[in-house]
Formats: sequence, structure tokens, C-alpha cells
Amino acid sequence: DAGVIQSPRHEVTEMGQEVTLRCKPISGHDYLFWYRQTMMRGLELLIYFNNNVPIDDSGMPEDRFSAKMPNASFSTLKIQPSEPRDSAVYFCASSLTIGNYGYTFGSGTRLTVV
Amino acid sequence: KNQVEQSPQSLIILEGKNCTLQCNYTVSPFSNLRWYKQDTGRGPVSLTIMTFSENTKSNGRYTATLDADTKQSSLHITASQLSDSASYICVVSGKRGGADGLTFGKGTHLIIQP
Repeated sequence: DAGVIQSPRHEVTEMGQEVTLRCKPISGHDYLFWYRQTMMRGLELLIYFNNNVPIDDSGMPEDRFSAKMPNASFSTLKIQPSEPRDSAVYFCASSLTIGNYGYTFGSGTRLTVV
Repeated sequence: KNQVEQSPQSLIILEGKNCTLQCNYTVSPFSNLRWYKQDTGRGPVSLTIMTFSENTKSNGRYTATLDADTKQSSLHITASQLSDSASYICVVSGKRGGADGLTFGKGTHLIIQP
């Protein structure tokens, strides 16, 4: 298995533009998580899905953030409009189950909003 | 409020030396604790998981300890190698953690110098 695949690896965009981050989880994993990592706050859970259904989006900072999982092999995280404070590394992770049982993380998307 | 505090924030040691990273938590009720290693530009990768009944667990040159009474864990690295340069993140699982039950530390940034 190729692991969790995220694209793009790097994204630089201007303030106000729409940004879409993509994730392909490991086949067979029922849970998919989106995290944001910054130096100040570390890793923060934004939203997670179970069997393609969003379960908890309480970590999504604002209405500018939205996430979808149209099928078991694909998820997107969209920011519209983007702001400089959204600059961070965004990780997607997948797992067979929820809890501290070992998530497989992707390599992340480093987003810079200028 | 559940918290995970890691120390030191950063550490520089010479290749071949040993080091110990600390993780103190206030997560309650406690379920388990996991250490992740995050290489620069990559997602976190699990090193080991500690449950309530485990005091020590080794994974090669990495040895994790857990004291559930004092709510402390440590990660000891023996005979450090250049490839050990990374951030080490402590993650604690508890029923009142984040939406997925997890509380993340901000990590210790370890640099191994030749």
C-alpha cells in the first residue's frame, strides 16, 4: 500500500483565493482525519469522517473551512477565502478505528497564504 | 482541561549520546499514550504505545516508560544516530480528549549533531 497520499505537497496562494487540499486514505480504513499543524499550537484535529460521513467538525476554525468525502478513497479540505493566518501544514490521516490505535498520516500539504 | 506538556521544547545532542524526552499529561480518565516520530517534511509515524498497565516498552533504541500515578511518560533514545533528528510527539487518549479522544503535545524538536 502506498500509504495516505496528499496533494499538493506545497501550495502558495494569495489572500482571498480558494484553496483545495486532497487526500487519498489507505484502502479499508474506515476513519479519515484532517489535522492542522503550526509551531504555536502543534497538531489540531479539524474534522473526521467515519465511512465517508462527517462525525465531528468542531475543530474547523471558521465557515471558510469545509471538508467533503464523496467516497471511501477521496477527501478534500477547502478554504474559501484563504487568509494569511491559515498558513500551516495540513495533514490527512486514516485509521481502521478511532482512538490512539495508530493513525497513518500523509506527508502533509504546506500551505502558505500571502 | 486535558493537557499534554512536553519537555524540553528542543534539544541538541552529539551523535552517539543518549537522551530522554519527557511528557506530562492531565488527561483523565486515561486510556493510553503513544509516541510519534515526525521527520522534517513528513507526517508523524508511531513509535510505541503504552497502556495503563505497562511501565516500559522498547522499540529498538527507543524505550518508553509510563508512570500512570504521576501521569508522566518518557522516551529514552540510546546511542543516538543522525537519523534520530526529528520532532517527537506525545499523544494521550482519554474519554474527555479531543473529538477523537486524543490530546496532542506540541512535541520536542531533537537535533543530533555529528
